[in-house]
Amino acid sequence: AQSVTQPDIHITVSEGASLELRCNYSYGATPYLFWYVQSPGQGLQLLLKYFSGDTLVQGIKGFEAEFKRSQSSFNLRKPSVHWSDAAEYFCAVGTTFGNEKLTFGTGTRLTIIP
Amino acid sequence: ETGVTQTPRHLVMGMTNKKSLKCEQHLGHNAMYWYKQSAKKPLELMFVYNFKEQTENNSVPSRFSPECPNSSHLFLHLHTLQPEDSALYLCASSQGDSGANVLTFGAGSRLTVL
Repeated sequence: AQSVTQPDIHITVSEGASLELRCNYSYGATPYLFWYVQSPGQGLQLLLKYFSGDTLVQGIKGFEAEFKRSQSSFNLRKPSVHWSDAAEYFCAVGTTFGNEKLTFGTGTRLTIIP
Repeated sequence: ETGVTQTPRHLVMGMTNKKSLKCEQHLGHNAMYWYKQSAKKPLELMFVYNFKEQTENNSVPSRFSPECPNSSHLFLHLHTLQPEDSALYLCASSQGDSGANVLTFGAGSRLTVL
C-alpha cells in the first residue's frame, strides 16, 4: 500500500523568506501527487498536482513543487511567503488514474512571523 | 451557490443522540466522499460513492451510516457515537471516472461527542 510522510509537523518562517515543505511517498510505480492547503476553519484547497511530464509543476498562489523519482519526494516551494500563507499543508498520493482515493500525509502547519 | 457545501458547520451531540451531516455539491461531479480528520492523524477515507452507488467502505463502524440519494447530495447519519468520534468530517466530490483525480472539499462539519 502507498504511504505519505511529511516529516515536519510545524514550520515557522519570516514573511518574505523562502519556503520548502517536504513530502516523501512510498509506492512501487509512478504516483500521482498533490499538495492541498487548509486554512483555519476551511476545507482543503488544491494547490497543485503532478500526473506526468515536466517534473516541476506550478500551482496557485505562487507555489511550485518538484517530483524527484530517485528520492521519492515531492517538495513544495515558494520563493517569498506572505502572511496569508499561514495554514496547514497536506501532501497526498494517488495510485491509479481515475481513482480519486487519495492517501494523505499528516500535514505541516506553517506559521508566518512578521 | 458553487462548490461543496456542508451543514451544519458545528455539531455537539450526546452519545445516545441521532444526528445527520449533509453535503451538497454544485459542480456536476459524479463521485462524493466522506473523510474524517482527527488531530495529528492523516485524513481517513470513510466512504466513496460513484453515481450514487457506494464503491468504498473503509471499515467504518456501523454507527456511521452514509446515504447518497443523488449525485449532488451526500449524508452521514450518526447514531450512538463515541467520544473518539469527535473530529472534523470533510465531504469532497470529483468527476469520478474522468481520470481527474482532483478532489474538491467542503469546509467540513466539526463534530463533538460528549
